[in-house]
Amino acid sequence: TQLLEQSPQFLSIQEGENLTVYCNSSSVFSSLQWYRQEPGEGPVLLVTVVTGGEVKKLKRLTFQFGDARKDSSLHITAAQPGDTGLYLCAGEGETSGSRLTFGEGTQLTVNP
Amino acid sequence: NAGVTQTPKFRVLKTGQSMTLLCAQDMNHEYMYWYRQDPGMGLRLIHYSVGEGTTAKGEVPDGYNVSRLKKQNFLLGLESAAPSQTSVYFCASSRQLYSNQPQHFGDGTRLSIL
Repeated sequence: TQLLEQSPQFLSIQEGENLTVYCNSSSVFSSLQWYRQEPGEGPVLLVTVVTGGEVKKLKRLTFQFGDARKDSSLHITAAQPGDTGLYLCAGEGETSGSRLTFGEGTQLTVNP
Repeated sequence: NAGVTQTPKFRVLKTGQSMTLLCAQDMNHEYMYWYRQDPGMGLRLIHYSVGEGTTAKGEVPDGYNVSRLKKQNFLLGLESAAPSQTSVYFCASSRQLYSNQPQHFGDGTRLSIL
């Protein structure tokens, strides 16, 4: 069973601060996805990273896939209250047909 | 512009009762999934389907059954509900089976078993 550990589990910051969320595993993934989930709604895909070392940017969000494809990070610059939500990482195993493994999530609260 | 629709949104059951959760998608996706989300445990796959008439077990299938009689619908059944099945259930669909494809989620069904 592949496990994905996210840290921190909870994060409360002030508007304008920077933050980094981590997603770690001892297993190699063929790809990794980041989702954001708001209260009362389902997760929504933010980005997919596929290549080791890959960096993708989505406005103030920067996603990085580790060189060995075992870990990933999400960095948010100048956080805003609208960034509040549960951030989930999900990795796809290397074996064909492997299911997505979800991390337990990081609950981010950005206070005005 | 519905995407994935789940019904009902909330339900309270007594132990031993049965019920069916409904999921409908209008994106013509082949693949559909049922997950449960519990605090501190992320999303865990219950069952999935790779096409009309097919289903397969996921990570936590015990106590649940599913059916995919029509391509757009995926039903999740609880034959005899137990308190351990109290959770938020999410249905999702995708164009391909994983392979970097995004999964499109419904807004969830919040189920409490007393």
